[in-house]
Amino acid sequence: DTGVSQDPRHKITKRGQNVTFRCDPISEHNRLYWYRQTLGQGPEFLTYFQNEAQLEKSRLLSDRFSAERPKGSFSTLEIQRTEQGDSAMYLCASTRTLQETQYFGPGTRLLVL
Amino acid sequence: SQKIEQNSEALNIQEGKTATLTCNYTNYSPAYLQWYRQDPGRGPVFLLLIRENEKEKRKERLKVTFDTTLKQSLFHITASQPADSATYLCALETSGTYKYIFGTGTRLKVLA
Repeated sequence: DTGVSQDPRHKITKRGQNVTFRCDPISEHNRLYWYRQTLGQGPEFLTYFQNEAQLEKSRLLSDRFSAERPKGSFSTLEIQRTEQGDSAMYLCASTRTLQETQYFGPGTRLLVL
Repeated sequence: SQKIEQNSEALNIQEGKTATLTCNYTNYSPAYLQWYRQDPGRGPVFLLLIRENEKEKRKERLKVTFDTTLKQSLFHITASQPADSATYLCALETSGTYKYIFGTGTRLKVLA
């Protein structure tokens, strides 16, 4: 059990650029979550997958955000045409069916200039 | 809509004392509630889960209570140590959806 990993750990980009983050969950976990966290706030749900199916997407998520989990293993989160308001920590978590505990990765910190 | 409230102000306590953190929720009847610890720049780490039919849960120096009438959970750290300094988050699952809502977290600082 190597834990949840995320790449990159830090990303600085200019407004208007596209960015993509990767999450590798714990290998036997079939559920994968993406959250966004800003300073002084708790993680905010963005979307989650069960295997390769994206089952729910937050209404707060604009069309500029898209997530995939093509083979039910790793997942990517893409933000198109980044805005300064997208600056945040993006957290990935995984778990498996009937297990309530989520295991979080270290996060990707995004700064949009 | 469902809402979770935690004390947004930091809690400072002396080493050796018991820290008590509060989590209140509204418009919701969760089957269980979770507590996580988060250190700066890191992802949250699961600590304890308590179900609606459990009044109290313990793990080493940690204790969680759950009052479904008051819609409140209390998280206690006894014999606190400076290493317990972190932000503590409570989380609920919106029933049957596998979607979790987190509180804003309470920052605890244990002074030596």
